This record gives sequence, structure tokens and C-alpha cells, in this order.
Amino acid sequence: NAGVMQNPRHLVRRRGQEARLRCSPMKGHSHVYWYRQLPEEGLKFMVYLQKENIIDESGMPKERFSAEFPKEGPSILRIQQVVRGDSAAYFCASALSGNTNQPQHFGDGTRLSIL
Amino acid sequence: QQQVKQSPQSLIVQKGGISIINCAYENTAFDYFPWYQQFPGKGPALLIAIRPDVSEKKEGRFTISFNKSAKQFSLHIMDSQPGDSATYFCAASNGNQFYFGTGTSLTVIP
Repeated sequence: NAGVMQNPRHLVRRRGQEARLRCSPMKGHSHVYWYRQLPEEGLKFMVYLQKENIIDESGMPKERFSAEFPKEGPSILRIQQVVRGDSAAYFCASALSGNTNQPQHFGDGTRLSIL
Repeated sequence: QQQVKQSPQSLIVQKGGISIINCAYENTAFDYFPWYQQFPGKGPALLIAIRPDVSEKKEGRFTISFNKSAKQFSLHIMDSQPGDSATYFCAASNGNQFYFGTGTSLTVIP
């Protein structure tokens, strides 16, 4: 499977715990985007990363949320001290480049539930 | 503020009919307009995309119509099939960010 891989598919956390969501981009893709989707809503941009660099994090809350895309390994979206409002589906997309000539390819998401 | 407005929220079409979903935007800096199809439990999949220098693009049964002056674009699904039943999202991009519409839930009745 050469597609975007996200894991886990489902993640349950209690309030105050940490959530780590992983995304392995398509082979050859070095650009990763994270989105959040609430029921009945579209995808909301959170952060755009290139290998080892955050390009645009304007959609990501300043507190408790962080993202990284190390030289080796998957991209990680980290949510500290989770609250009920963090419950959502989180999608990762990858692209060959940041140019809009290149389409984004999405993974199947991580459904995060906060108890 | 919703950068891309999408309508209708839901749509029911008979098999063989035409499904039409509309989107409108304000930011004239947008230069790429993709449509995504999403099935339950799956991520969005790119369906078709258009740039503002073209007024129409057709791929199989799917057509995008683009009206630059009105800042509107629409997806037409010809000969709609039950397998087309899914949620459809329009989007617009000006480079780094993609802005998505709120989605249209399409149901095609056999």
C-alpha cells in the first residue's frame, strides 16, 4: 500500500492525557498537511510541514498542540492535556511539493475520542 | 469565517440523474480548485480539479464549471449512480493552505 498511512485509526484518551497521531506520507512525498474534521463540517487546516520544518502553523491552536516531521520517521501531531473539545477526526495529507500543481493525497484519518 | 461556501448541504438524486453541487469563494488569490469525494470512515479522495484560466473541465462523468467573474464553481455528476453516494467537498488554495467547503452529502436512489 503506497498511500498515506495514519495510525492509530481510533484513539481514546481521558481528559488531561496526551494524544499522539502519526502520519507516514506517500513514498517520495516530503510535504505533509494536518487537518481536523468535526461531524457535519469540512476539513479545517491545522499545519503544513516539510521535512524538519514547519512551513505554516496558522491553523493550529497555540497551546497544547504541536507537530513535527523529522528527517526520519512519520509526522507526529501531538495534543497535550486533551479536553472534550479535541474529539474529532484528524486527517493527514501529503504532496510531492508545496506547489498547488501537486494534489494532496489523504490518509483515512485518526478518530480521537476524549472521555 | 468560511472562506469557501458550499451548497446544498445534502442532495438526493435518482439514478441516472444529474447531481450539481455549488461553491463560492471571495479570495481572488485562490488559484486551484479541487473537489474531493469522501466515503464514511475514509479520507477524502481527489476527484477532479480546475485552475481559474479554464472555464470547464471534464473527466468521465464528472465536470467542473468555473465562473471566475462570479467567483463560483460547481461539480456536475452526470448519470449519477448509487456508488456515487458519498460526501463531496470543494476546496480552494492559494499556495500553502487549502480551504474546504462544509461538504454535501449525496444520496443516489436506485
